[in-house]
Amino acid sequence: GAVVSQHPSWVICKSGTSVKIECRSLDFQATTMFWYRQFPKQSLMLMATSNEGSKATYEQGVEKDKFLINHASLTLSTLTVTSAHPEDSSFYICSAFVGQGANEKLFFGSGTQLSVL
Amino acid sequence: QKEVEQNSGPLSVPEGAIASLNCTYSDRGSQSFFWYRQYSGKSPELIMFIYSNGDKEDGRFTAQLNKASQYVSLLIRDSQPSDSATYLCAVLGNTNAGKSTFGDGTTLTVKP
Repeated sequence: GAVVSQHPSWVICKSGTSVKIECRSLDFQATTMFWYRQFPKQSLMLMATSNEGSKATYEQGVEKDKFLINHASLTLSTLTVTSAHPEDSSFYICSAFVGQGANEKLFFGSGTQLSVL
Repeated sequence: QKEVEQNSGPLSVPEGAIASLNCTYSDRGSQSFFWYRQYSGKSPELIMFIYSNGDKEDGRFTAQLNKASQYVSLLIRDSQPSDSATYLCAVLGNTNAGKSTFGDGTTLTVKP
């Protein structure tokens, strides 16, 4: 399957700082990437849809000024958690959409565990 | 009613048995259906993909799709302890450009 690289795998930061998470499609071009967060023992929560060359589309209740998404190229999307607080501590996962019709698939990055002290 | 529903479980089966995971969806326009396996603390891993009605087999895994009844299932034959994980059902419509709807997942435990 297609490879989606996510970096860093884990990060610990102080409250009030910003953290950038990168998501790269390594062997294909992804015009659309998605960002999720997941709390322990809970399901995936879609945060936003990231489209190359345009503004991200945020899900209801997700603060776009706090979670900045940039999709500057067909292989890279970034999520920046600005002024992070302990309640932002979570597992953040990106995914990339590839293919058309019967070949459509969604592949996930390895995730980033964010801990805000 | 949720768009994609799964039994939360936990589902427990003995090693070597068949594990059956079920998923129902509400959008009749859905085109593609996925099963992901997620180990604790890890991201989801795509294990099965089905597009057409009927069965699709891949090793010990069989996905079954019935669009008329709006359900998709995953069978795991000869279950192994390493199959213990949360299984996520995802449904992709024909207009959402990759925006899949996920179920909450079913936790499977395979006991040695």
